[in-house]
Amino acid sequence: ELKVEQNPLFLSMQEGKNYTIYCNYSTTSDRLYWYRQDPGKSLESLFVLLSNGAVKQEGRLMASLDTKARLSTLHITAAVHDLSATYFCAVDSGAGSYQLTFGKGTKLSVIP
Amino acid sequence: NAGVTQTPKFQVLKTGQSMTLQCAQDMNHNSMYWYRQDPGMGLRLIYYSASEGTTDKGEVPNGYNVSRLNKREFSLRLESAAPSQTSVYFCASIALGRGKTQYFGPGTRLLVL
Repeated sequence: ELKVEQNPLFLSMQEGKNYTIYCNYSTTSDRLYWYRQDPGKSLESLFVLLSNGAVKQEGRLMASLDTKARLSTLHITAAVHDLSATYFCAVDSGAGSYQLTFGKGTKLSVIP
Repeated sequence: NAGVTQTPKFQVLKTGQSMTLQCAQDMNHNSMYWYRQDPGMGLRLIYYSASEGTTDKGEVPNGYNVSRLNKREFSLRLESAAPSQTSVYFCASIALGRGKTQYFGPGTRLLVL
């Protein structure tokens, strides 16, 4: 059974600081997704990582994938208040049909 | 394109009542999914439909049924609602292709009393 663990689950950071969210998963997979969710809203796709060593960047967010370590990271550079949200990683189980197993999410609060 | 739409947005049920949550997508996607989101639990897959005419159970299917009415529409039915089914329900869809991602609807907030 695929398990996906994110840490930390809660993160309070000051504007301008850097931080990393970690996503570990328990079985082999080469497809990992990051989503963002604002309070009371739906999920918005951030990144799709498809192979070992994949790195993608969008603005102040950078995601990477190490399939051998079964680890993905979401790095936040010089945080701003607009990045406050809950971030989820999700891993394709490999059973076909793009079945995803989600982590519990990291609630990020960026404070002035 | 409206993307993925869900109705209703919010619903209150009494224990034992039934209801159907509707989902439609206008992106010509093959696969569709139903998830539930509970506080601190992330999203959990209830049922999915890999293509029109097929449906399969996900991680938490008990108490639910689904219908893939056509390529656009995928409904979720609660036959006899229970308080444990109080949750936010999200529908999602995805196109075929290795680099594709799931697109999510706005969600349905369900309260079962």
